[in-house]
Amino acid sequence: AQKITQTQPGMFVQEKEAVTLDCTYDTSDPSYGLFWYKQPSSGEMIFLIYQGSYDQQNATEGRYSLNFQKARKSANLVISASQLGDSAMYFCAMREGRGTSYDKVIFGPGTSLSVIP
Amino acid sequence: NAGVTQTPKFQVLKTGQSMTLQCAQDMNHEYMSWYRQDPGMGLRLIHYSVGAGITDQGEVPNGYNVSRSTTEDFPLRLLSAAPSQTSVYFCASSRGTGHYGYTFGSGTRLTVV
Repeated sequence: AQKITQTQPGMFVQEKEAVTLDCTYDTSDPSYGLFWYKQPSSGEMIFLIYQGSYDQQNATEGRYSLNFQKARKSANLVISASQLGDSAMYFCAMREGRGTSYDKVIFGPGTSLSVIP
Repeated sequence: NAGVTQTPKFQVLKTGQSMTLQCAQDMNHEYMSWYRQDPGMGLRLIHYSVGAGITDQGEVPNGYNVSRSTTEDFPLRLLSAAPSQTSVYFCASSRGTGHYGYTFGSGTRLTVV
């Protein structure tokens, strides 16, 4: 079964507008972490933001914020004031088994974001 | 620091050949993983390791072997290459559990003909 779901294969946003990229996850582990990564056309993987399952507040990093709704098992990425350089693939990822021998990170299928001037 | 170094960057194999993709990190990271990236499927976990001497299978382990004899190195072996293994392979490492994101290598683009 798919553990990370990203239902938006492709998204468009106008420059300077905000955009939300959706991510839902499935785990029975009470302690887990959620990540977002950016992959521009150059192919590198860039770590953007992290949210722990026990964190009380939503994570923020500059123009990125993570809208964490634990009961709904959703961890949406919000990018404010989009820039042309935000055009890239975005991957949601989940870390399970923290501190155990099966501590691993799995990724969703990704969302392609295009920022329109 | 070099970070995570993957070699080679590009490789073409014939069906049935074997090879090893190298991955080394100089950050003393405990956690290392191998992923393959195929269009529309994101990154899929092949094998991972939580420390030297400890490895486990991920989502798509068939056709691949790994070992972790040192903290620094985590090679991925293709036993008998198949066209279905044509992909971009990423190695990644992390300092530990918690809020530490993975640091990725630059990837190896493998084509099996």
